Amino acid sequence: DAGVIQSPRHEVTEMGQEVTLRCKPISGHDYLFWYRQTMMRGLELLIYFNNNVPIDDSGMPEDRFSAKMPNASFSTLKIQPSEPRDSAVYFCASSLGQARFGEKLFFGSGTQLSVL
Amino acid sequence: AQSVAQPEDQVNVAEGNPLTVKCTYSVSGNPYLFWYVQYPNRGLQFLLKYITGDNLVKGSYGFEAEFNKSQTSFHLKKPSALVSDSALYFCAVIPGDQAGTALIFGKGTTLSVSS
Repeated sequence: DAGVIQSPRHEVTEMGQEVTLRCKPISGHDYLFWYRQTMMRGLELLIYFNNNVPIDDSGMPEDRFSAKMPNASFSTLKIQPSEPRDSAVYFCASSLGQARFGEKLFFGSGTQLSVL
Repeated sequence: AQSVAQPEDQVNVAEGNPLTVKCTYSVSGNPYLFWYVQYPNRGLQFLLKYITGDNLVKGSYGFEAEFNKSQTSFHLKKPSALVSDSALYFCAVIPGDQAGTALIFGKGTTLSVSS
């Protein structure tokens, strides 16, 4: 398997523009997570899905952020409108089952987002 | 609030020396504990986990960690450091009394191993 695939690797946009980040989880994994990494705040959970259904979106910063998982092999994280403080590395991760039962999270390589 | 603390932003060790990366937690219930490692421009990779059982757990690349309930700690250790161990290390936890499965991560500790 190719692992978790994220696109794009780098995104540079201007404030106010819409940004869409994409993720393809590992085939067969039933959990998908979106994390954001910044120097100041470290790694923060934004939202996670189980079997394509959002379970916990309490980490989504505000209404400008939205995430979807239309099927088991694809998820998007959208920011509209984007702001400079959204600049960060956004990671997608997937797992086969729950981490509390010992399942590992597999992370993608991340999308480096820069909002000017 | 549920949290994980990694008190050191950076740890510096010489190759061949033992290393310790510290982690303490504050969560409700019995915790599920994890260590992940991140190499430059890469996503995080799983190192080891404590779910239940023996307090000393062994993981990938010769790393181990000891769960200490009384000190609420889960320090990562390796007897002999390699230059290739240089990376960013994250401790993570799932509170034991929560139905959710999402990991709460610490801020990370940069390990630098010099030759």
